[in-house]
Amino acid sequence: AQTVTQSQPEMSVQEAETVTLSCTYDTSENNYYLFWYKQPPSRQMILVIRQEAYKQQNATENRFSVNFQKAAKSFSLKISDSQLGDTAMYFCAFMKLNTGNQFYFGTGTSLTVIP
Amino acid sequence: DTGVSQNPRHKITKRGQNVTFRCDPISEHNRLYWYRQTLGQGPEFLTYFQNEAQLEKSRLLSDRFSAERPKGSFSTLEIQRTEQGDSAMYLCASSLNWYEQYFGPGTRLTVT
Repeated sequence: AQTVTQSQPEMSVQEAETVTLSCTYDTSENNYYLFWYKQPPSRQMILVIRQEAYKQQNATENRFSVNFQKAAKSFSLKISDSQLGDTAMYFCAFMKLNTGNQFYFGTGTSLTVIP
Repeated sequence: DTGVSQNPRHKITKRGQNVTFRCDPISEHNRLYWYRQTLGQGPEFLTYFQNEAQLEKSRLLSDRFSAERPKGSFSTLEIQRTEQGDSAMYLCASSLNWYEQYFGPGTRLTVT
């Protein structure tokens, strides 16, 4: 079974500063994808960034980047130049290939950006 | 807006009643997923459709739960004889590519 662990239930960051959210996962699979999803208050989840396990290069998407350490099974999200609109719940998710590609989510980290 | 839509957004029901939720995916998406999210938790997978075929079901999907996608477009999730433990947010997601899912706003169910 796959498990995803987010050990930081809540975090805060000053506007314009950088923050890193942690995620670890456990799997015996070799081919999989990792994701960070953002869920703003009372709004639907949207994809922030995606990482393919077979790629060594860390994914980046504007102010968002990841630090993917496959051997350590670690997948952290760095948000640079934090903005008030980044305030949300952030979920780390794992997806193994085949069999419907269901996602396994962590419990989330609630991030508050302080003006 | 051509995103995933879900109806109703909120549902309050008494224990023992049946409820049905609807999900309309993005029109060209052939894959559709149902998840359940309880307070303080991440979404948990319930079931998956590819077109009209239900290909995978979680053990979380007890026999009181049934999902359909009759024409490969919209989907319904029915819960029979609701229990207080069924109170949760029910999320629907759809995808065209297997590596990305688009989520709807969810249906929040409260069982009293």
